[in-house]
Amino acid sequence: AQTVTQSQPEMSVQEAETVTLSCTYDTSENNYYLFWYKQPPSRQMILVIRQEAYKQQNATENRFSVNFQKAAKSFSLKISDSQLGDTAMYFCAFRSHTGKLIFGQGTTLQVKP
Amino acid sequence: DTGVSQNPRHKITKRGQNVTFRCDPISEHNRLYWYRQTLGQGPEFLTYFQNEAQLEKSRLLSDRFSAERPKGSFSTLEIQRTEQGDSAMYLCASEDTRGHEQYFGPGTRLTVT
Repeated sequence: AQTVTQSQPEMSVQEAETVTLSCTYDTSENNYYLFWYKQPPSRQMILVIRQEAYKQQNATENRFSVNFQKAAKSFSLKISDSQLGDTAMYFCAFRSHTGKLIFGQGTTLQVKP
Repeated sequence: DTGVSQNPRHKITKRGQNVTFRCDPISEHNRLYWYRQTLGQGPEFLTYFQNEAQLEKSRLLSDRFSAERPKGSFSTLEIQRTEQGDSAMYLCASEDTRGHEQYFGPGTRLTVT
């Protein structure tokens, strides 16, 4: 069975600085997708970034980028130039071949002014 | 298109009552997923549909839970004889099968008293 682990329950960063959120996963599949979702307090889940396992190039979306290490089964999210609006809970998710998403426990990120 | 919508947004019910939630996906997405999220945790998969066919159900989906997606459009999730342990946020997501990205609705928060 696939599992997703986020080992940092809470993190904080100063506004304008860079922060990295960690995620590891376990699977026997070779082709799959990984995602980071953001869930602001009392608001809905928003897709931040997507990575396809067959692509070696790390995905980038504006200030968000990932470090995908397939052999190590690691998928970290880097947020550059952190903004107050980045304060949220961040979930790492693995998409199984059947389509369902398996989520980690989440990391609460606080951006401080 | 305004994205995935869910109704109601909040539902308070007494233990033993039946409740039904509705999800309207993004119109061109043929896959629809239901997840359950308890406070401070990542969402857990419940079931999903491709068009009108229900293709996978989690063991979390006891026989008190039933989901339908008539005509492959909106979906309903019904919980019969609610229990306090059913209190959670119920999330719906629809998927763009080209990119395998799931987009979430705002959720229905269920409180069973």
